[in-house]
Amino acid sequence: GESVGLHLPTLSVQEGDNSIINCAYSNSASDYFIWYKQESGKGPQFIIDIRSNMDKRQGQRVTVLLNKTVKHLSLQIAATQPGDSAVYFCAENNYGQNFVFGPGTRLSVLP
Amino acid sequence: EPEVTQTPSHQVTQMGQEVILRCVPISNHLYFYWYRQILGQKVEFLVSFYNNEISEKSEIFDDQFSVERPDGSNFTLKIRSTKLEDSAMYFCASSFDRYTIYFGEGSWLTVV
Repeated sequence: GESVGLHLPTLSVQEGDNSIINCAYSNSASDYFIWYKQESGKGPQFIIDIRSNMDKRQGQRVTVLLNKTVKHLSLQIAATQPGDSAVYFCAENNYGQNFVFGPGTRLSVLP
Repeated sequence: EPEVTQTPSHQVTQMGQEVILRCVPISNHLYFYWYRQILGQKVEFLVSFYNNEISEKSEIFDDQFSVERPDGSNFTLKIRSTKLEDSAMYFCASSFDRYTIYFGEGSWLTVV
């Protein structure tokens, strides 16, 4: 669902399961995307990026998938751990202009 | 690992007062940014700065806001006459290539 004001969409997963966080971006001309993790009271932390000429990129325990046809980005976290609990934002960039952030999804990892 | 540092981490100010938030970007970065985040909401772009001038600014960045790079290391955001709605977390960020940007830990501004 979409976030409205203070109510972020929340994803709850069991520790050890895989998490999939989705993001719909707004500008079909955006050519670069980043996923950020934000823990409470801290700044956004870079997780992984992807350029528009790719549809998949893998990092350590994380994979980003890009579907330009439907302007959709997803972040997959393998074997989710308690330390993964945070708010996750996607951000899109159009040829080096300023980043536009999505509304965020709160990931809660259940023991 | 190099990081963006911000001071103060938290400031409480009275409405109408001037506030200066300070940032030390990563040393070899060329592009500097201020973003803000109102509690519980998404991160919003304020301004970008390159080659000693503003390169882009949002509609939030009105005449009450200004930025400066007074020396080779600091990057500041000034709010001339704070309003209640300026209460937010302000993030400084920097980038070498305008693509991957790195954020500081933020300065939490509370206007009372």
